[in-house]
Amino acid sequence: EDKVVQSPLSLVVHEGDTVTLNCSYEVTNFRSLLWYKQEKKAPTFLFMLTSSGIEKKSGRLSSILDKKELFSILNITATQTGDSAIYLCAVNNNAGNMLTFGGGTRLMVKP
Amino acid sequence: EAGVTQFPSHSVIEKGQTVTLRCDPISGHDNLYWYRRVMGKEIKFLLHFVKESKQDESGMPNNRFLAERTGGTYSTLKVQPAELEDSGVYFCASSQDLIYEQYFGPGTRLTVT
Repeated sequence: EDKVVQSPLSLVVHEGDTVTLNCSYEVTNFRSLLWYKQEKKAPTFLFMLTSSGIEKKSGRLSSILDKKELFSILNITATQTGDSAIYLCAVNNNAGNMLTFGGGTRLMVKP
Repeated sequence: EAGVTQFPSHSVIEKGQTVTLRCDPISGHDNLYWYRRVMGKEIKFLLHFVKESKQDESGMPNNRFLAERTGGTYSTLKVQPAELEDSGVYFCASSQDLIYEQYFGPGTRLTVT
């Protein structure tokens, strides 16, 4: 059974800090790893990673995948209060198209 | 472009009653998924439609749950009869193709009392 573990469980930082969120996984026939941001309602898509070592970047957010060590990190630089959310990591395998989610990291950014 | 929409946003029913949740995917997305998060747990897959066909329903908890997607557009998920353990947030997602990212709706919070 596929498994995703995220750490830390929760994190409190101040505006301007840089944070790194971790996601490790065990999956048969890996296809992709996805990051989502969930504020109040819908998880919002951030990144999809399929290849090792290639950084994906969007503004202050970036993410990278290591398929040898089976983990991914999500970095947020110069954090803002609007970054406060639950960040979800999920993996997709080639056997089907379901996403297997981790428990999420709850990030709180204080002014 | 409108995102994935779900109705209702919140439903409170008594044990033994029936509830039907609706999902409208992003226009043109053939792939539609249902997921569920129960209190304190991770989001879990329920089933996957490709157009009107059920591609994978391995996550459906039992036969009290029935999902349909007539005409390959919107989908409904019916719970009949509802039990207390069915309480949770039901998410719908859609994707353009299997290799593309899934976009999620805001979820329906179901409370069974």
